[in-house]
Amino acid sequence: EVQLVESGGGLAQPGGSLRLSCAASGFIFSDHYMDWVRQAPGKGLEWVGRIRKQANSYTTEYAASVKGRFTISRDDSQNSLYLQMNSLKTEDTAVYYCARVDNWNLDSWGQGTLVTVSS
Amino acid sequence: DIQMTQSPSSLSASVGDRVTITCRASQGISNSLAWFQQKPGKAPKSLIYAASRLQSGVPSKFSGSGSGTEFTLTISSLQPEDFATYYCQQYKIYPLTFGQGTRLEI
Repeated sequence: EVQLVESGGGLAQPGGSLRLSCAASGFIFSDHYMDWVRQAPGKGLEWVGRIRKQANSYTTEYAASVKGRFTISRDDSQNSLYLQMNSLKTEDTAVYYCARVDNWNLDSWGQGTLVTVSS
Repeated sequence: DIQMTQSPSSLSASVGDRVTITCRASQGISNSLAWFQQKPGKAPKSLIYAASRLQSGVPSKFSGSGSGTEFTLTISSLQPEDFATYYCQQYKIYPLTFGQGTRLEI
């Protein structure tokens, strides 16, 4: 069974940093692209970014709203995905989900971790 | 960026009804479209990908169609567990974008 478990959320100050993790199990992690998606309180879904697999040189894509501030990385030896968030803004407050990409579809999602950016 | 527009934004229906949700893309995306279901406080769940392919384990009461810029999600014989918010998403071009969601209510 595919399992994705996010962690690392919490309260951060504007301008601060936070690092989210996503632990994967139940599938061959290294075979898949992985995404981050977020959802602000009471709002819709917003795609944050993607990291490809080793065969694609671990290249990344980002939404304009986070480009230059957020960095996605992965450690295939640890079956883990990361989201380093710097220069946080109040509008980054959201539940952050990691998701597996299969057949270009986000077919499995974690339960999410809440990030609150407030002074 | 490709804008995804869902209609209606909310929909009232009854158990046993058949409903259709529409998703329009601001430019052609071939069949690079997915549908997700989200219940309050829960993660989204994949229903449909490639516009019409049913995700493994999803009941056949859910069906998708369309290509290019117009897509539909149809849910037949609504049951209480189907009342949720539904999102479309295009994955043709980065950045990936979602529709604003359709809230399906009793």
